[in-house]
Amino acid sequence: DTGVSQDPRHKITKRGQNVTFRCDPISEHNRLYWYRQTLGQGPEFLTYFQNEAQLEKSRLLSDRFSAERPKGSFSTLEIQRTEQGDSAMYLCASSVDRVANEKLFFGSGTQLSVL
Amino acid sequence: KNEVEQSPQNLTAQEGEFITINCSYSVGISALHWLQQHPGGGIVSLFMLSSGKKKHGRLIATINIQEKHSSLHITASHPRDSAVYICAVRSDRFGNEKLTFGTGTRLTIIP
Repeated sequence: DTGVSQDPRHKITKRGQNVTFRCDPISEHNRLYWYRQTLGQGPEFLTYFQNEAQLEKSRLLSDRFSAERPKGSFSTLEIQRTEQGDSAMYLCASSVDRVANEKLFFGSGTQLSVL
Repeated sequence: KNEVEQSPQNLTAQEGEFITINCSYSVGISALHWLQQHPGGGIVSLFMLSSGKKKHGRLIATINIQEKHSSLHITASHPRDSAVYICAVRSDRFGNEKLTFGTGTRLTIIP
């Protein structure tokens, strides 16, 4: 499968625990995005990488959230001291290049439930 | 008021009907995306538009930049078209790379 893959698909955790999600974009894609989606809503932008550089970060991303893309390939999103309000679907998307082809490819998401 | 508004929120139609889903936005944009989301989360990009009209199979997407409006049409609808259809825009503000999404239109096609 050469699509965007996310791991894990589901995560259940207790409030206060730390969680980390991984996204593997399509191999030649240099742009990687993280979005969060709650039930009945459209996705909300969290952060964006071009290669290994984190170029944009939403105000939604509190200091408990951190994202990395150390070698410009896979990315991780970590949430520290989880809260019940963090429960959501975390979506990763990747694309090649804005000028040549803006089509986004999404992963299946990681569904986080904080108890 | 949200930057991206979709209508209707829910749409139920009989198989074979012509479907129209509307998207209005309030900011200047460089691109508009139509996406399809099936239960379980998977999102598929259908179209990316910056002007005019695009067609792919039974799907047609149009955009009117002056009126800040886009429509997604489905001809000869089929139950497998049942999904949530989401409109998303990229602002034309320099350096802005994020997409702003609408809340989606839930389409149900009855056999």
